[in-house]
Amino acid sequence: GAVVSQHPSRVICKSGTSVKIECRSLDFQATTMFWYRQFPKQSLMLMATSNEGSKATYEQGVEKDKFLINHASLTLSTLTVTSAHPEDSSFYICSARSSAYEQYFGPGTRLTVT
Amino acid sequence: QKEVEQNSGPLSVPEGAIASLNCTYSDRGSQSFFWYRQYSGKSPELIMSIYSNGDKEDGRFTAQLNKASQYVSLLIRDSQPSDSATYLCAFATSGTYKYIFGTGTRLKVLA
Repeated sequence: GAVVSQHPSRVICKSGTSVKIECRSLDFQATTMFWYRQFPKQSLMLMATSNEGSKATYEQGVEKDKFLINHASLTLSTLTVTSAHPEDSSFYICSARSSAYEQYFGPGTRLTVT
Repeated sequence: QKEVEQNSGPLSVPEGAIASLNCTYSDRGSQSFFWYRQYSGKSPELIMSIYSNGDKEDGRFTAQLNKASQYVSLLIRDSQPSDSATYLCAFATSGTYKYIFGTGTRLKVLA
């Protein structure tokens, strides 16, 4: 099946620093990738849609200057959380679209900002 | 606002029984529906996708779709303790590839 990797799986950083999360589709090309955030005991919330070679589309309420997304190739998208604060601590998950509608998720990155 | 409604549970079933999970959605134009399984602390894993009215079977899983009623369900036959997880229903919004997720139903299979 379609495999998506994410790195790092877990990161702890200090308030005010920036963190980069990588998402890769390993065995297929993904023209579209998605970034989600999930707080404990809540459902997935879509943050942005990333298309290869173009600017990301952010959901309402998501700060595009804080969450920088770059979809550099058909297999790689990155999310950079800039000037992270404790309220940004969450589980960040990417997904990649392999066919018309199916999305496959990466294993997620647990971010803790101290 | 486009939404997915799921009973949060927990739904408890004995081992070997059939677990029935239900979901309703608001977007009449949606053509694509998905069930994901999410273990605690892990990311979602795709179990089933369904695009046409009726039933779709894959191993112990059967997805059922009724577009007229805007209803999709997932049946798990011969439930195992390893099936204990949160099951997320999602649909792709019409005209886009974005998913709308429900809040999930927590399933407990009792040994």
